Amino acid sequence: DGGITQSPKYLFRKEGQNVTLSCEQNLNHDAMYWYRQDPGQGLRLIYYSQIVNDFQKGDIAEGYSVSREKKESFPLTVTSAQKNPTAFYLCASSIARRRIPDTQYFGPGTRLTVL
Amino acid sequence: AQSVTQPDIHITVSEGASLELRCNYSYGATPYLFWYVQSPGQGLQLLLKYFSGDTLVQGIKGFEAEFKRSQSSFNLRKPSVHWSDAAEYFCAVSGTYKYIFGTGTRLKVLA
Repeated sequence: DGGITQSPKYLFRKEGQNVTLSCEQNLNHDAMYWYRQDPGQGLRLIYYSQIVNDFQKGDIAEGYSVSREKKESFPLTVTSAQKNPTAFYLCASSIARRRIPDTQYFGPGTRLTVL
Repeated sequence: AQSVTQPDIHITVSEGASLELRCNYSYGATPYLFWYVQSPGQGLQLLLKYFSGDTLVQGIKGFEAEFKRSQSSFNLRKPSVHWSDAAEYFCAVSGTYKYIFGTGTRLKVLA
């Protein structure tokens, strides 16, 4: 079945640690996205990538980094510079019609907790 | 600036009652509009989308939405709510290279 997988489902981080969240898709989509979700704030865009080896900052990129070495993979690293990383993280992918994203397909999410 | 507003943070309805969730957008060009649903601790699932054509769009689970350009609205409706519809609902507009999401409306269904 085609879809998006995220791992792990739950992740715990100690202060000062970097952690990496995995996102893989087998939908053959060019575009991929990372969102952060906090209660009452909806989804906020962290990074997005339209094509392999290229990505752009979203609205809240500080303290995060990404890579896009393969079409199907878009890992997100939460660095120690992110002061309040506890949140629910969602990865998504889509086809882009002339720069306009079509339906976004979402993974099941990773809940990150800082201990 | 492009934006999406969902004015209702929480809505409570009784099972079997009708439902309307409001969404207003600000976007310079003809928008691509979406409604997604999220169950607790899960990812988002597409309910329906509007690109062009008929302004009344049918989606999954008995939902529909109507695009009204004059009001910059894309409200979601369901004639009879089921207990399983309790979830959070997000409206979104597709901009250049990315989406703009509303802050969501949490729906509670009373038995």
